[in-house]
Parts: sequence; C-alpha cells; structure tokens
Amino acid sequence: SAVISQKPSRDICQRGTSLTIQCQVDSQVTMMFWYRQQPGQSLTLIATANQGSEATYESGFVIDKFPISRPNLTFSTLTVSNMSPEDSSIYLCSGLTGANTGELFFGEGSRLTVL
Amino acid sequence: DAKTTQPTSMDCAEGRAANLPCNHSTISGNEYVYWYRQIHSQGPQYIIHGLKNNETNEMASLIITEDRKSSTLILPHATLRDTAVYYCIVVRGTGFQKLVFGTGTRLLVSP
Repeated sequence: SAVISQKPSRDICQRGTSLTIQCQVDSQVTMMFWYRQQPGQSLTLIATANQGSEATYESGFVIDKFPISRPNLTFSTLTVSNMSPEDSSIYLCSGLTGANTGELFFGEGSRLTVL
Repeated sequence: DAKTTQPTSMDCAEGRAANLPCNHSTISGNEYVYWYRQIHSQGPQYIIHGLKNNETNEMASLIITEDRKSSTLILPHATLRDTAVYYCIVVRGTGFQKLVFGTGTRLLVSP
C-alpha cells in the first residue's frame, strides 16, 4: 500500500491566478495520475504524470492549462493556470504501486474554489 | 474496454447486508472487475477485485456470475460508515490501463 499526501487540502483563489498542488507518496510508485472531480460528479482523469518527462494528457486537458511535473518517483505537482470559476473542483492525486494495474491509491484531494 | 452499469442509488439498514450489483456484459476474458468506494470528502478507496472466482477480504465479498457478465459486491454487515459512492470498474489484466470511473452507486446506510 501507499500513503499519498496532498497540499493544500483546500484553497480559495481569485479568477486569473494559478495554484500549484503538491502530491507526495510515502513509497515509490510506478505510475502517478491526476484526477478532477467537479461538484456532484464522478472522477475524470486529467493526465498521467511521467517521471522526468512531459505528462500524458487526456482528451480535453492541455499542458498550458494544467502543467504537471514529476521530478522523481514519489513526488508530483499539478498547476491549475489562469483559473476561472469553472475550475472549482477537487483535484486528486493517485499512484500505482505494483503490477496490480487496477489497484490505485488516492490522496485525500485538494478542494479548490475559484471566485 | 468493457463498460459497466450500476444503479444510481441504494438504501440499506444498518447491520444488514448491502448487495451492490454491477453489469458488465461486454467484459472480455482477460478483464478483471474492481470495486472502489468514495466516502464523502475523501479520495476513492480500493475495496476488492476478481477475475472469475468469488473473492472475500476484510472489507467485502465479490460474487461474479459464471458468465462473468455481472457481479455483486457484498458488505455483510453494513454500518453507517459504509455510506459512500461505490464504483465498479473493469480493468484489463495485462499491461497498464487507465482507470475510468463511471457514476457509481450511492449507498445510504440508515439506522
């Protein structure tokens, strides 16, 4: 198993600003992902965070809006750029620790409110 | 990849068994059935998974039909803390696959 910590746990931001969310895992993970969960909705995969290279984004998500870094096996950041109220969501970091490709571990999420 | 169908919501009395169904009629031979749950304001939590045999762990049991087209997650003695959204996801058994979450079943456990 793995414990995933996210910071900040919540924040209130002004329109047009950017916020970086940090994700720290207590053990090495083979893969890391970022999900978004809009109010009352299910989770949507934003991107796969690749160690030492550019993230792989899902349809509808672009690097300019959601730049992601993963400098090592246990840490990743997601930036939400030029925020608008539509970006108000919970952002969740997750990791895969082994060969069991369906068993993801999730952080508690970062609840972002954009005014 | 196989899609899943779950009821939108279910109710269960505390102490009773909660049986959550999932249909995955297009599942293929190398795909597993995974269950997650998300308690309010928390990240999703892995519960259990199986291929074709029934599985049990400390959290739940998973019953998969012989044709594998449907499954049932069983919480044998539901508690108020089991109130959550439960997601059934089909995952390929070989190679990596991104997890895609559907809308899940909102289970409400009442006293």
